[in-house]
Amino acid sequence: NAGVTQTPKFRVLKTGQSMTLLCAQDMNHEYMYWYRQDPGMGLRLIHYSVGEGTTAKGEVPDGYNVSRLKKQNFLLGLESAAPSQTSVYFCASSGSTGGWRNSPLHFGNGTRLTVT
Amino acid sequence: DQQVKQNSPSLSVQEGRISILNCDYTNSMFDYFLWYKKYPAEGPTFLISISSIKDKNEDGRFTVFLNKSAKHLSLHIVPSQPGDSAVYFCAASAKGGTSYGKLTFGQGTILTVHP
Repeated sequence: NAGVTQTPKFRVLKTGQSMTLLCAQDMNHEYMYWYRQDPGMGLRLIHYSVGEGTTAKGEVPDGYNVSRLKKQNFLLGLESAAPSQTSVYFCASSGSTGGWRNSPLHFGNGTRLTVT
Repeated sequence: DQQVKQNSPSLSVQEGRISILNCDYTNSMFDYFLWYKKYPAEGPTFLISISSIKDKNEDGRFTVFLNKSAKHLSLHIVPSQPGDSAVYFCAASAKGGTSYGKLTFGQGTILTVHP
């Protein structure tokens, strides 16, 4: 029972490099989300998806792109990394059947990204 | 503009006593509130929730109270156990079918329960 799996767990990038964070869920959830956690800021929503092939901007979308080509996967891309993107990134999913409130967000264990 | 605030960065309590974690919000469109618990190197896990049509919800040792007029909610843990030591996040969701589970989180409170 894996739930939400994030890869990689850790990554160090140089400024200007690109990378993709992968999120996979095995709960057949419709909704998926990417959050970032910074000290003193709580978790802030970057992008989200309400179904396969759909994406939408959250609170802090600048500098990130996402794709949801398959229902179980949600990818977060950084095209040109900046030190301000040093953070812990969390992926989450929730169900829509009966309303998401019957299946509140399930989170992965996070990816710690450092941009130097 | 922090719409959900947890003004206490940390709280320390003795095992067996009550832990009270507080959360304030400013957006009157929020109508559903959740508490998540987070251990180091893990993702947040759902703990308990409450709808704005209620003022209290209880689940075992955990009770959440909502005061809509004050835009304030609190999480009570009784009795507190050392395994409860974690970061606790308050989160809120707005009304409407387009909320899609998007949550606004507070900054978190680090709870330490001493044996």
